[in-house]
Amino acid sequence: GENVEQHPSTLSVQEGDSAVIKCTYSDSASNYFPWYKQELGKGPQLIIDIRSNVGEKKDQRIAVTLNKTAKHFSLHITETQPEDSAVYFCAATYGQGNLIFGKGTKLSVKP
Amino acid sequence: KAGVTQTPRYLIKTRGQQVTLSCSPISGHRSVSWYQQTPGQGLQFLFEYFSETQRNKGNFPGRFSGRQFSNSRSEMNVSTLELGDSALYLCASSPRGPDTQYFGPGTRLTVL
Repeated sequence: GENVEQHPSTLSVQEGDSAVIKCTYSDSASNYFPWYKQELGKGPQLIIDIRSNVGEKKDQRIAVTLNKTAKHFSLHITETQPEDSAVYFCAATYGQGNLIFGKGTKLSVKP
Repeated sequence: KAGVTQTPRYLIKTRGQQVTLSCSPISGHRSVSWYQQTPGQGLQFLFEYFSETQRNKGNFPGRFSGRQFSNSRSEMNVSTLELGDSALYLCASSPRGPDTQYFGPGTRLTVL
């Protein structure tokens, strides 16, 4: 079946460093790739997304890149801050457009 | 705009009981999707409703059902609860759905 693999499952960085999370998807028809941040006790929050007709998108310290040929996409966070600590999920559309999620990456930013 | 709201936030039930969870989408959003989140399985899609019709369904047993009202508010029901149904149930709304989705805070269901 359709699948989204996400790596790493945990990531620890020093404040100010960059963090990169990678995802691979299996459905070549996938055309929408959102990233969500989930803090403890809260629902996932959409932080950035990219569509298949775009290779890269940036929003302040956050960027996402997409390689359709290799079927992978990545989240880049620069100048990390302690408030960036959370679980991050990637997702991809499949079938009739529903989302399938990766297993999540727990990011810890140490002051 | 107000975000997605879910009620109740916490529920404790016993095996065999049934439960109904409620979701109010962002104003103007017509698509509502439901997800189950557990530590082991992660976020799994349950179903999506658009204009009161179930448009898509995930791979869950028939004990899981839902509906959507004319004002786009949605409910999901789980009958004959099992211990494994303990999870965070998340609702997400979208203007047309289902890609750009905004999640609510979830309902934490514990089955004893």
